[in-house]
Amino acid sequence: EPEVTQTPSHQVTQMGQEVILRCVPISNHLYFYWYRQILGQKVEFLVSFYNNEISEKSEIFDDQFSVERPDGSNFTLKIRSTKLEDSAMYFCASSERDGLGDEQYFGPGTRLTVT
Amino acid sequence: AQKITQTQPGMFVQEKEAVTLDCTYDTSDPSYGLFWYKQPSSGEMIFLIYQGSYDQQNATEGRYSLNFQKARKSANLVISASQLGDSAMYFCAMRGGYNTDKLIFGTGTRLQVFP
Repeated sequence: EPEVTQTPSHQVTQMGQEVILRCVPISNHLYFYWYRQILGQKVEFLVSFYNNEISEKSEIFDDQFSVERPDGSNFTLKIRSTKLEDSAMYFCASSERDGLGDEQYFGPGTRLTVT
Repeated sequence: AQKITQTQPGMFVQEKEAVTLDCTYDTSDPSYGLFWYKQPSSGEMIFLIYQGSYDQQNATEGRYSLNFQKARKSANLVISASQLGDSAMYFCAMRGGYNTDKLIFGTGTRLQVFP
């Protein structure tokens, strides 16, 4: 069964450094998402992306964050200058369509630790 | 504002028994979708079941069923014949209308199944 993959599984970085989290969505999916989950808390939406544009973003997704689909398979989340509070599990998700009931398939997550 | 509330931080159930995990939601949009996801200790998010706001029947998927009470704005997950492998965090989520891509998650319920 096709699945969303994410690399790396765990990233440790120092405060102020840039990080890029990588995702490979399911190949025929057109809609892409990033969510994050701070340890022990609920999952929070960051951004959605379709047709090479951001379609929706949350207030968390400020100027420090950016997303890109650099080629036909990868979808990346960049954090320009990491802060301690960026430490979280970051989930990429994708869906084939944009209907209300269309499942967003989640990847296994990247655990980001900012020291 | 759109919101998901899960009031049970933890639940215990004996193997082979049924368990109900509570979820209430709030939205002013007449069209919305409700989802349940399972998050085992390994961290990935696994889709379980979906209920649309206009669906007349309660959704079922194998041992999972959704007790949808629209007037009460509740969408409780029922797991029948619990198994040890059902021990995990369970998140209720909502997509609140056609004008948004994001899933809004509740705080989750940790289910522990004991022999």
